[in-house]
Amino acid sequence: NAGVTQTPKFRVLKTGQSMTLLCAQDMNHEYMYWYRQDPGMGLRLIHYSVGEGTTAKGEVPDGYNVSRLKKQNFLLGLESAAPSQTSVYFCASRPLGRQETQYFGPGTRLLVL
Amino acid sequence: AQSVTQPDIHITVSEGASLELRCNYSYGATPYLFWYVQSPGQGLQLLLKYFSGDTLVQGIKGFEAEFKRSQSSFNLRKPSVHWSDAAEYFCAVRNTNAGKSTFGDGTTLTVKP
Repeated sequence: NAGVTQTPKFRVLKTGQSMTLLCAQDMNHEYMYWYRQDPGMGLRLIHYSVGEGTTAKGEVPDGYNVSRLKKQNFLLGLESAAPSQTSVYFCASRPLGRQETQYFGPGTRLLVL
Repeated sequence: AQSVTQPDIHITVSEGASLELRCNYSYGATPYLFWYVQSPGQGLQLLLKYFSGDTLVQGIKGFEAEFKRSQSSFNLRKPSVHWSDAAEYFCAVRNTNAGKSTFGDGTTLTVKP
């Protein structure tokens, strides 16, 4: 049982390049989330999914797209990376049920030059 | 809209001293409240949570928190801090309907020997 895993752990991009971050969970959780964390700030929600095939915008969705084609995977895409997207990205998942808690991945550190 | 304020950006305590980290929230109804801890380069680990019932909740690693509706607060406490408690601590409030969480900006705890 690996929990929530994120790929890659670290990546450097040039401005304008694209990339996809992968989040995988093996706990059969319904909900999945993508957050970004910037220095001196808490986590801010980018996008989330309440089930396979469904996604919704969070607090800071601009510049990102997501897909949840399989229940266990939640992909975060950057079509044209910008320096402002330099951040640490965390994925989380949680089971269905109002009083369930989130489980976080270890994070992906992204540097956009 | 829900929000979380952690008034203290940085707190330093001596090992063995007591600790209190403050958290104030804004939410229209009774919220779901959480405290997480993050060590450098790591993901978030849940310390404790409040959904309903007893307003004093116990968590892992000897931490506890008290929900005070009248003060819109959910302060984290520990009677005797250990050097290994040095980390960043985040308070979060979750929307009971949509399941979206809002995080505070965090409090960095330094423990003096």
